[in-house]
Amino acid sequence: DIHMTQSPSSLSASVGDRVTISCRANQSISNHLNWYQQKPGKAPKVLIYAASTLQSGVPSRFSGSGSGTDFTLTISSLQPEDFATYYCQQSYSVPPKTFGQGTKVEIK
Amino acid sequence: EVHLVESGGGLVQPGGSLRLSCAASGFTFSTSSMNWVRQAPGKGLEWLSYISGTSNTIYYADSVKGRLSISRDNAKNSLYLELNNLRAEDTGVYYCAREEVATTRWFLDNWGQGILVTVSS
Repeated sequence: DIHMTQSPSSLSASVGDRVTISCRANQSISNHLNWYQQKPGKAPKVLIYAASTLQSGVPSRFSGSGSGTDFTLTISSLQPEDFATYYCQQSYSVPPKTFGQGTKVEIK
Repeated sequence: EVHLVESGGGLVQPGGSLRLSCAASGFTFSTSSMNWVRQAPGKGLEWLSYISGTSNTIYYADSVKGRLSISRDNAKNSLYLELNNLRAEDTGVYYCAREEVATTRWFLDNWGQGILVTVSS
């Protein structure tokens, strides 16, 4: 099975900060990597698929990069509505459709 | 607009069974692959199961294999999950999610609001 590891598990940041979240796979997954955002009490929402393709309607301050085993989600200028938990998910080898453990972005 | 609504959750005794439903609307359900994902309280997302549009392909997570059954009724635009021999660790919010494919890459593009299942005596 492919295992996904996110880092950090949590971070504190201020509005306007540039934020980066990492996701690492235990084997190469090419660009088969999705990113989701989840706010408390809400369902997850896809932000990016295929490692770097922005889902329709997602603000351009979100971007994704990486290939192989190492991936990054970047928020160029953190906004108040971006405080949430972010998950990566591999879509390369299934089953299982593995998620990372999540990264919680909190207000500093 | 895509709409997914889960139902059937609630309090269930350990060792019991549950059947969750997911009513779909706003898209061609019969050609869409679907998934179930759950989230234990305060924990991350756990993928549980996948079913293709025709039900020809089904996958289960090892953690629930043998206890979980996924099915669908395309005439009723509905997805189902049956989980048996429930344990405390099955407690959580269960989501149904539609799978989209773009440039040969799939992702979960629409999710239900989630339904809470509590396993307790």
